[in-house]
Formats: sequence, C-alpha cells, structure tokens
Amino acid sequence: SAVISQKPSRDICQRGTSLTIQCQVDSQVTMMFWYRQQPGQSLTLIATANQGSEATYESGFVIDKFPISRPNLTFSTLTVSNMSPEDSSIYLCSVRDRGPYEQYFGPGTRLTVT
Amino acid sequence: GNSVTQMEGPVTLSEEAFLTINCTYTATGYPSLFWYVQYPGEGLQLLLKATKADDKGSNKGFEATYRKETTSFHLEKGSVQVSDSAVYFCALSDRSNFGNEKLTFGTGTRLTIIP
Repeated sequence: SAVISQKPSRDICQRGTSLTIQCQVDSQVTMMFWYRQQPGQSLTLIATANQGSEATYESGFVIDKFPISRPNLTFSTLTVSNMSPEDSSIYLCSVRDRGPYEQYFGPGTRLTVT
Repeated sequence: GNSVTQMEGPVTLSEEAFLTINCTYTATGYPSLFWYVQYPGEGLQLLLKATKADDKGSNKGFEATYRKETTSFHLEKGSVQVSDSAVYFCALSDRSNFGNEKLTFGTGTRLTIIP
C-alpha cells in the first residue's frame, strides 16, 4: 500500500496563528482526504481533496478556516487558520489506494493550541 | 444518513482471552465495512475489510463477518496478546455514492490486554 508521511508530526501553537500541515504520498493517488480526531473522539472527515479541483468540505467545515491545496497527485496541504484551543486535535490525511472505498492513513499531526 | 455504533470501552482482557468488539451500522446504500486499529502514538492502520454480505475479513488472527440481516460487523479474535492493546475503529464507506467515499467511523473501542 501507499506510504504516507505528514509534517509536522506535532506542534504547539498560539491562539490566533495558522499552521499548515503537509501530506506526502510515495505514489500517485486520485483521492486524498483530511480528517480530524479530537481528543478521545473518533475521526471526522474535514474535506476531500482531488487534484485540479476545489476541495469538497463536509458540513461544519469551511474553506476559510481549513484551506486545502492539492497541487499534484502526491501532495496536499491543510491549513488550520486563526486557531483556537478547540482546534487542538490530531489531523490525519488519508488516500484511496488499492481499491475503491479503501483508505490508508498517514501518521497524523498532533496539534495543541494554547 | 450513515452511522456506525460501536461497543463502548474500555475493554480489559487477560492474555489469551477471546475477544469480541461489537459493531452495528446504518447505511442508505451498499456499504463496505472496515476495522481500523490505532496503536499508541500511531496513525490508523487498516486491519480488515469486507465489501459485501457474508464476506469475512481476516488479518493477524482477527476476523469479522459482514452480516446484512443484522447489520453487524463484529470483530473477533480467539486468543489476544498484549501487543493487541490499541484502539479499534469500525467504519463504513457507502459504495452507492461513488465520488463521495467518505469513511464514517464509530467512536472507537480501547482494548487493553493484561499479561
């Protein structure tokens, strides 16, 4: 399966600042996804990022808060803007790899906002 | 809409005990079902999957059977090891909604195995 890396692995940020998280895949993939896992909670999809088109956001998530780029088939970024403590979460990217409807996840970025 | 209901944890078992983690789902279309595992400090790993009714997914001694009649996908293992301690997530993806392949996750079950 695809090997997925994320940068940074963790960060501590101040309220009001922004952080950009990078997701790199070792092979070309059509679909990439960004999820959020709040402390002690399950995963929630933020948006789907397809190369060459605007990201599709889920209900409750907006582009101004979570802008996403997808410049090619191996890379994507998620920015968490104007952060507040409620944004403290693990952010994970995933890709559709071998077969449809089967996703593989990166190691995650653990974000703490103070 | 789609939803996944998972057995609440935490679950604590002794080594070599039998494990069952219950998972039931609600889906409007034709879901594929998955179990993911998250070891401490790591990301999610796909443990096993099933794409249609009566399919059995298996991996690392874990099994789960796609039961359409009971809308269930319970995870089982005959003899657990300390290394199985992790959080387990049941998830579904709706195959009837091609192009919108979001995974819907259950709340996760934390499993601790005691030597």
